Amino acid sequence: TQLLEQSPQFLSIQEGENLTVYCNSSSVFSSLQWYRQEPGEGPVLLVTVVTGGEVKKLKRLTFQFGDARKDSSLHITAAQPGDTGLYLCAGGNPFSYSGAGSYQLTFGKGTKLSVIP
Amino acid sequence: NAGVMQNPRHLVRRRGQEARLRCSPMKGHSHVYWYRQLPEEGLKFMVYLQKENIIDESGMPKERFSAEFPKEGPSILRIQQVVRGDSAAYFCASSSLLRDRRSGANVLTFGAGSRLTVL
Repeated sequence: TQLLEQSPQFLSIQEGENLTVYCNSSSVFSSLQWYRQEPGEGPVLLVTVVTGGEVKKLKRLTFQFGDARKDSSLHITAAQPGDTGLYLCAGGNPFSYSGAGSYQLTFGKGTKLSVIP
Repeated sequence: NAGVMQNPRHLVRRRGQEARLRCSPMKGHSHVYWYRQLPEEGLKFMVYLQKENIIDESGMPKERFSAEFPKEGPSILRIQQVVRGDSAAYFCASSSLLRDRRSGANVLTFGAGSRLTVL
């Protein structure tokens, strides 16, 4: 069974601070996705990382995939109240089905971020 | 351009009743996935369907749960004889045939979820 551990579970910071959240596994994933979920809503995809060591930037958010493709981090610079939410990582492995290429996602439990104005 | 539509958003059932959750995928999407989010747990894959076909139901509990995606109409997740442990948020996601060209995976768009409470 593949598991993704996210840390910290909860994080409360002041507006303007920087933060990093982590997603770790003992398993290798072919890709890793980060989502943000707001209360009462579904997860919204932020980024997909595929290559070991890959770094992707999305405005103030920087995502990194570990060299061994077992872990990932999300760094937010100068956090804003609008960044508040549940950040989920999800690992993917393609399984073969008649060329459909779809796969099951293994989700972590998430990091609940609160940015205080 | 409506996204993935789920209804009802909230459903309350007594133990032993049936729950039916509906999901209309995004326009142009032919793949539907159901995930369950239990309190304090991560989302767990349940089932993957295409029109009139169940592709992978490896995450579905063996009893009381069923899913369908008919030729016409929304996908339905059906839970018979609900128990308190079924209380959760049930999310539907959809994707098109096009895959992310780098990861080779379908890109999922999630709905807002249906929150089931069993009394």
